[in-house]
Amino acid sequence: ETGVTQTPRHLVMGMTNKKSLKCEQHLGHNAMYWYKQSAKKPLELMFVYSLEERVENNSVPSRFSPECPNSSHLFLHLHTLQPEDSALYLCASSRTVTGGWEKLFFGSGTQLSVL
Amino acid sequence: KNEVEQSPQNLTAQEGEFITINCSYSVGISALHWLQQHPGGGIVSLFMLSSGKKKHGRLIATINIQEKHSSLHITASHPRDSAVYICAVNPYNNNDMRFGAGTRLTVKP
Repeated sequence: ETGVTQTPRHLVMGMTNKKSLKCEQHLGHNAMYWYKQSAKKPLELMFVYSLEERVENNSVPSRFSPECPNSSHLFLHLHTLQPEDSALYLCASSRTVTGGWEKLFFGSGTQLSVL
Repeated sequence: KNEVEQSPQNLTAQEGEFITINCSYSVGISALHWLQQHPGGGIVSLFMLSSGKKKHGRLIATINIQEKHSSLHITASHPRDSAVYICAVNPYNNNDMRFGAGTRLTVKP
């Protein structure tokens, strides 16, 4: 148990569906992240939030929409996804977002399949 | 070319063997991380280091900053060590951690 909880664990959706991924951290951290992990590829950073403000957005398509209502919760809203968006989506948190000596705590991920 | 390269990509070992996984990186860093990902997806941080060597149980991580290289060693390997091991670095003055593609380790009984 890392203190970061993601739901759902698995999600199958059609290309016209709208769904949301949820992440919650119980560690008192100020920074939260969404990562995408495709088969046999390195983790890709999607979004970074620090104290509920988005600080980084790595050219992610607009069909992915993040929301951070408070420092403990992070959502990823999905709409009109493509089959190539099928991947493991991982949430992580850290004490702060300042680079360097910060350890990431990951959730177990949501395995997303887009049909 | 990825800024963080790991080798080997896949590794199969017999229980009890000594295992080494290598990581090379091409950017200046403030820290290097070794992570473990079990089937099911969850990732756990094993080590965070910027110099020298760290040991935790049967796991040892070393780093050579001058050569931009790190190794993760597992002594007396066990089937429960089977997982994907990921190397990641914190570049200087950058919030974006860079990840290797991972090494898939299978330890057979």
